[in-house]
Amino acid sequence: AQSVTQLDSQVPVFEEAPVELRCNYSSSVSVYLFWYVQYPNQGLQLLLKYLSGSTLVKGINGFEAEFNKSQTSFHLRKPSVHISDTAEYFCAVSDRGYGNKLVFGAGTILRVKS
Amino acid sequence: KAGVTQTPRYLIKTRGQQVTLSCSPISGHRSVSWYQQTPGQGLQFLFEYFSETQRNKGNFPGRFSGRQFSNSRSEMNVSTLELGDSALYLCASTPDRRAGNTIYFGEGSWLTVV
Repeated sequence: AQSVTQLDSQVPVFEEAPVELRCNYSSSVSVYLFWYVQYPNQGLQLLLKYLSGSTLVKGINGFEAEFNKSQTSFHLRKPSVHISDTAEYFCAVSDRGYGNKLVFGAGTILRVKS
Repeated sequence: KAGVTQTPRYLIKTRGQQVTLSCSPISGHRSVSWYQQTPGQGLQFLFEYFSETQRNKGNFPGRFSGRQFSNSRSEMNVSTLELGDSALYLCASTPDRRAGNTIYFGEGSWLTVV
């Protein structure tokens, strides 16, 4: 079974400051890792994903994440946030192989203040 | 290219009734998945359909069912509605069942059970 833990339920940060949203996962098999963003009253949008290769993954809107196998972590970072980054962010895992089932963390609400 | 389209966007039902939600995947996508999002339980996988067959199922009671049509459009049905079924129901699509695909989500159907 897989599980995802997002260590912070809310992260307040000032505009133009850096931010890190933390994600740890547990799985008995190799997984793929994803970060999704959800703006109010909208569906989920993929920010980035790790499938293989370089452990540093760059995504949309200036976000990046680093896969750390030994620590089973996949933290999301942005060097300078904007007001428009205010949203809820979800870390997710899926099995490798076939199937599109995602197991999500509980989400982290990023609040960017001016 | 149109995204994943879900109808209706908002609906209110009474306990004991049933509801059917509809999803049109992105053109050319053949795998459709459904998720339930609630404040208490977060995002949970309901089921995945591919080639009109259910390929994977989450841990939900039998009151939750779905189907997929030959044009890949999908519907999910919840019978004998309970207050706890109030949630945002998200449909997602991918081209096929290979893991690691980018999973595209619709904006969801907001179900309120009173």
